[in-house]
Amino acid sequence: DQQVKQNSPSLSVQEGRISILNCDYTNSMFDYFLWYKKYPAEGPTFLISISSIKDKNEDGRFTVFLNKSAKHLSLHIVPSQPGDSAVYFCAASPTSGTYKYIFGTGTRLKVLA
Amino acid sequence: DAMVIQNPRYQVTQFGKPVTLSCSQTLNHNVMYWYQQKSSQAPKLLFHYYDKDFNNEADTPDNFQSRRPNTSFCFLDIRSPGLGDAAMYLCATSMDRGPYGYTFGSGTRLTVV
Repeated sequence: DQQVKQNSPSLSVQEGRISILNCDYTNSMFDYFLWYKKYPAEGPTFLISISSIKDKNEDGRFTVFLNKSAKHLSLHIVPSQPGDSAVYFCAASPTSGTYKYIFGTGTRLKVLA
Repeated sequence: DAMVIQNPRYQVTQFGKPVTLSCSQTLNHNVMYWYQQKSSQAPKLLFHYYDKDFNNEADTPDNFQSRRPNTSFCFLDIRSPGLGDAAMYLCATSMDRGPYGYTFGSGTRLTVV
């Protein structure tokens, strides 16, 4: 039972355009969300987070949007750069208890030069 | 640089032969996690240590054990590896329980022959 779903295994975007990566979750107890980026042969690196008290968080070219009623979040990358080509994981956790993150299966983003 | 280091990067073991994967951190983080990631799947939490307090996930097989002799080191022991245990094993740390991101190591890719 996948509680965090990334339904698009891959996405290709032209350099300079917007990349939108989507994530859905089923557990209404989740209220803290992270996005990670992973290059081949490296561990995931933290990108951006959002708490359920917000619906948007922005950090440079990266913006995460949260729609709690739809249990949906998305990561926007504007403008996309070839160096953004990587696998992106979303992760979710409840804020009670031990903060154990449940990860999605990832979306492989390819930014075409 | 403060970091999370996993050794070895690649490990080949024989079916049924015990194997130990190692993780060390220089971040002085309280919490250390072990995730298993199989191809095209989400990283799956096996267990975590909050300081010396061990927390096992309910669906983690008994074949998997962990030790944390001190703050810096954490080991994953697989007592009798099967072919189904071939995966990437990711170690992660977080400062404490709470809305903190994880810092991941580069992972150990385990092959069982």
